[in-house]
Amino acid sequence: AQRVTQPEKLLSVFKGAPVELKCNYSYSGSPELFWYVQYSRQRLQLLLRHISRESIKGFTADLNKGETSFHLKKPFAQEEDSAMYYCALLNDYKLSFGAGTTVTVRA
Amino acid sequence: NAGVTQTPKFQVLKTGQSMTLQCAQDMNHEYMSWYRQDPGMGLRLIHYSVGAGITDQGEVPNGYNVSRSTTEDFPLRLLSAAPSQTSVYFCASSYSSGNNEQFFGPGTRLTVL
Repeated sequence: AQRVTQPEKLLSVFKGAPVELKCNYSYSGSPELFWYVQYSRQRLQLLLRHISRESIKGFTADLNKGETSFHLKKPFAQEEDSAMYYCALLNDYKLSFGAGTTVTVRA
Repeated sequence: NAGVTQTPKFQVLKTGQSMTLQCAQDMNHEYMSWYRQDPGMGLRLIHYSVGAGITDQGEVPNGYNVSRSTTEDFPLRLLSAAPSQTSVYFCASSYSSGNNEQFFGPGTRLTVL
């Protein structure tokens, strides 16, 4: 069965510091992975997906099949990055989410 | 476009009561789904639909029913509410069931006493 693990419930960083959110998955096939973000009082929204290999709002995520990881990184955190972040895996029409990581960026 | 809409925003039920959470989208999306969000557990898929007339179970379907008579609407029915169903419920839709962005509704906060 597929499983997504986000080991950190809370992450606090200073503005301008690098931030990395960890995501590990277990899946037997070729995974389709996403990062979703929920800002305060806003809807959950897609941040990025691994097939796009894009950088959104300064965030990047690299799929490492050997380590079964899809960590989210940003070199210089901003206060507006404070939010809840979810890693998700798509398999056969079903999207499985991790438990989420709450990120707080302090001035 | 209104996107994905959900009603009601808040609801309090007594154990044993039934109710329907409404979800609608105006983007002509084929794929729709329902999730519940609980602290420390993330979002868990309840039911999903790949098109009108087609529904299937997700990870936690017990106690919930769905139907998809139109492309636009995907209501979630609680048959006999239990305190364990206290949660925030999100509806989502996407263009297809493949590797596409899911658009989420604002959520319904349900409390079962």
